[in-house]
Amino acid sequence: GESVGLHLPTLSVQEGDNSIINCAYSNSASDYFIWYKQESGKGPQFIIDIRSNMDKRQGQRVTVLLNKTVKHLSLQIAATQPGDSAVYFCAENIRTGGFKTIFGAGTRLFVKA
Amino acid sequence: DTEVTQTPKHLVMGMTNKKSLKCEQHMGHRAMYWYKQKAKKPPELMFVYSYEKLSINESVPSRFSPECPNSSLLNLHLHALQPEDSALYLCASSQVGRLYEQYFGPGTRLTVT
Repeated sequence: GESVGLHLPTLSVQEGDNSIINCAYSNSASDYFIWYKQESGKGPQFIIDIRSNMDKRQGQRVTVLLNKTVKHLSLQIAATQPGDSAVYFCAENIRTGGFKTIFGAGTRLFVKA
Repeated sequence: DTEVTQTPKHLVMGMTNKKSLKCEQHMGHRAMYWYKQKAKKPPELMFVYSYEKLSINESVPSRFSPECPNSSLLNLHLHALQPEDSALYLCASSQVGRLYEQYFGPGTRLTVT
């Protein structure tokens, strides 16, 4: 079915450490996978995307890895900062009549100073 | 301008009321979206508009009626809602060629009494 899930609901890291947020997906018809960040009281904010024919993409302090064999997606944040504290959602873009985005359950990241 | 604005920020309405949520963007995006987000849950897609035409309706009850009067505006008309419809309603927009990179507004917090 169409579902995107996460392994861990919360993640606590020390400031300066690297963070890894994981996500499992089940739909094989996705053309893009996306990570969004949602801070309290705000709407989700686009972080980075990866096309389904890629296995790694890097942005500023973030890296997304895609393993299609095991249907696994991860977001790595380097040198985590207090401003990175938020809920992170993985999402997939699926072509079904039109394109639609399905969000996973979310992981809350706490950064300890 | 990379901002999506939504009004009102908060709305309390009775089950017999009629109200409207408004969304506006000036990024030239021709795809616009409505999502519903319950507390501690991911956003759930409701409607997608592409070039001001409804392209996806995720089987949303008819008490929610979307409208896209022009390329910058998106409305959600509400009528005879139920208490379980209380949620954060998020509007988003994107370029048609980059449907996976969506820009979200801060949302309208709706309470149905």
